[in-house]
Amino acid sequence: RKEVEQDPGPFNVPEGATVAFNCTYSNSASQSFFWYRQDCRKEPKLLMSVYSSGNEDGRFTAQLNRASQYISLLIRDSKLSDSATYLCVVNQDTGRRALTFGSGTRLQVQP
Amino acid sequence: GAGVSQSPSNKVTEKGKDVELRCDPISGHTALYWYRQSLGQGLEFLIYFQGNSAPDKSGLPSDRFSAERTGGSVSTLTIQRTQQEDSAVYLCASSFSWGVYQETQYFGPGTRLLVL
Repeated sequence: RKEVEQDPGPFNVPEGATVAFNCTYSNSASQSFFWYRQDCRKEPKLLMSVYSSGNEDGRFTAQLNRASQYISLLIRDSKLSDSATYLCVVNQDTGRRALTFGSGTRLQVQP
Repeated sequence: GAGVSQSPSNKVTEKGKDVELRCDPISGHTALYWYRQSLGQGLEFLIYFQGNSAPDKSGLPSDRFSAERTGGSVSTLTIQRTQQEDSAVYLCASSFSWGVYQETQYFGPGTRLLVL
């Protein structure tokens, strides 16, 4: 089983749609969670951290479910500029001082 | 301010040659990470440096891979006797520090390595 699993997609949605991605992680001791965005042939950039109580940043909402070991990202009112790959990222707290990245979910917003 | 920079941006080499990839982290960032990303894949952790502590090399795939960080700043990733499976984008990231909760990592643009 992969340490961090995501549906690779692609998710093809029309502009204005609401889309949600889930991600599961294997290590229950994981401490912190993030969503990164990666545009084609570009480096990953932090989109938002994910807090236990859930958090919102404009059109983006992140949720954490520790019991089921998954995190989610909801994008409302999708824009063409949201087209990218969304990477689920976990700090597994295994002593390795680096993040574990999922393979990403590709989103394509269509006009 | 300046972000993380990497050089070269692209590197084409022949199988069996050695390559050196360079990373300049954000000034003041004590933590530096190397990852690689193969086509269509997620990021694979390679090595981590934190201040003057011994680096975490647990992600290096073979002894052909090594990295140094001089003066707590610039880092060089060296791949000896390159193989075709080494072809990937090599990404460097830095963060201000590392604590119980991971500090945000800022990525450089990467070096695209192609081994022929």
